[in-house]
Amino acid sequence: KNEVEQSPQNLTAQEGEFITINCSYSVGISALHWLQQHPGGGIVSLFMLSSGKKKHGRLIATINIQEKHSSLHITASHPRDSAVYICAGMDSNYQLIWGAGTKLIIKP
Amino acid sequence: DGGITQSPKYLFRKEGQNVTLSCEQNLNHDAMYWYRQDPGQGLRLIYYSQIVNDFQKGDIAEGYSVSREKKESFPLTVTSAQKNPTAFYLCASMTRVYTEAFFGQGTRLTVV
Repeated sequence: KNEVEQSPQNLTAQEGEFITINCSYSVGISALHWLQQHPGGGIVSLFMLSSGKKKHGRLIATINIQEKHSSLHITASHPRDSAVYICAGMDSNYQLIWGAGTKLIIKP
Repeated sequence: DGGITQSPKYLFRKEGQNVTLSCEQNLNHDAMYWYRQDPGQGLRLIYYSQIVNDFQKGDIAEGYSVSREKKESFPLTVTSAQKNPTAFYLCASMTRVYTEAFFGQGTRLTVV
């Protein structure tokens, strides 16, 4: 069993829909990162969370430390949001434990 | 602006050649990391360094080498001993104080 699990693996939605991607972890972490990877591979860091909630434009990330769970939400989704979204937790040895990624496709 | 730079974004090499991927940061971070991503899979740790002139193997170090002669730089060499070098490579750096990681854009290496 992976220490960081993402769901769903794949998600296809229509433009305008509210999107939720989940990340659950079974190990202790001090912080959790959300990253976006576009076709062609470039990685963009979206959020780093250690508690609560962060918002940037149409993106919202939340984390519940007690439940060991984080979510990434996209409001008013757009085809340009199509990408792979990856979560990664930082453990006590300053190592990142990576989820396998969620492939999101937004259809116009 | 401070950041972490990987170059090049795309790299093509012939089989049997060594190739070096660059990773530079001007964030004054002590720790730097190299990861590999294969299609449809998560990222895996190749090597990491927590101080200058010191580095440790990660989960998949075979066929790779690194150096950390300067705090700012952590180049990764993919040697001819690496059986399947075609992959996406990501460099990261981290500050222990804030436990926040910063990421390069990545290098997509194709060996033909």
